[in-house]
Amino acid sequence: QQQVKQSPQSLIVQKGGISIINCAYENTAFDYFPWYQQFPGKGPALLIAIRPDVSEKKEGRFTISFNKSAKQFSLHIMDSQPGDSATYFCAASKVAGANNLFFGTGTRLTVIP
Amino acid sequence: DTGVSQDPRHKITKRGQNVTFRCDPISEHNRLYWYRQTLGQGPEFLTYFQNEAQLEKSRLLSDRFSAERPKGSFSTLEIQRTEQGDSAMYLCASSPPDSYSYNEQFFGPGTRLTVL
Repeated sequence: QQQVKQSPQSLIVQKGGISIINCAYENTAFDYFPWYQQFPGKGPALLIAIRPDVSEKKEGRFTISFNKSAKQFSLHIMDSQPGDSATYFCAASKVAGANNLFFGTGTRLTVIP
Repeated sequence: DTGVSQDPRHKITKRGQNVTFRCDPISEHNRLYWYRQTLGQGPEFLTYFQNEAQLEKSRLLSDRFSAERPKGSFSTLEIQRTEQGDSAMYLCASSPPDSYSYNEQFFGPGTRLTVL
């Protein structure tokens, strides 16, 4: 059973546009929600993360919006650049126990010049 | 480079052979995780160490898989009697001990395993 559901599976955006990727979760015990960026043949790189005590977090061109009541969170990439072309994964983890991450299925983003 | 390192980066083996992968976490990170990632999917949790203690194992970690972290430093993941279904990227991640950042996991480049 997929604990974190991610959409869309793929996304094509014009350079300078806004890329939006959405995720939803069911387990209310999750309290940490990171986004990872992965290039082909590389390991995932931590991009930005949020905890449920805030509804939004911004770092440079990347923003996470978090809706606790809807159990949804999203990544917004402003002024998308060709160098942003990669696969993006949302994830979630719990405070207790191993804190292992449950990943979404990924979104392949292509930014065209 | 002070990031997580993994060795080897690529491994091709024949079905039935044993393979061993190594992970060196970021210095002073006491938590270490192994994940497996198949093509087109997100990483899936395999096992977790806090210092030298293996505290959690996923149901994905069959009896053919074993992991160790002697002295709480580097870790090894061994797969015995490999099967074609074991072909995947094996990722290692580590996280720091402080209470606020312990969720932040930093991944290594992975070991790509191909079982022929």
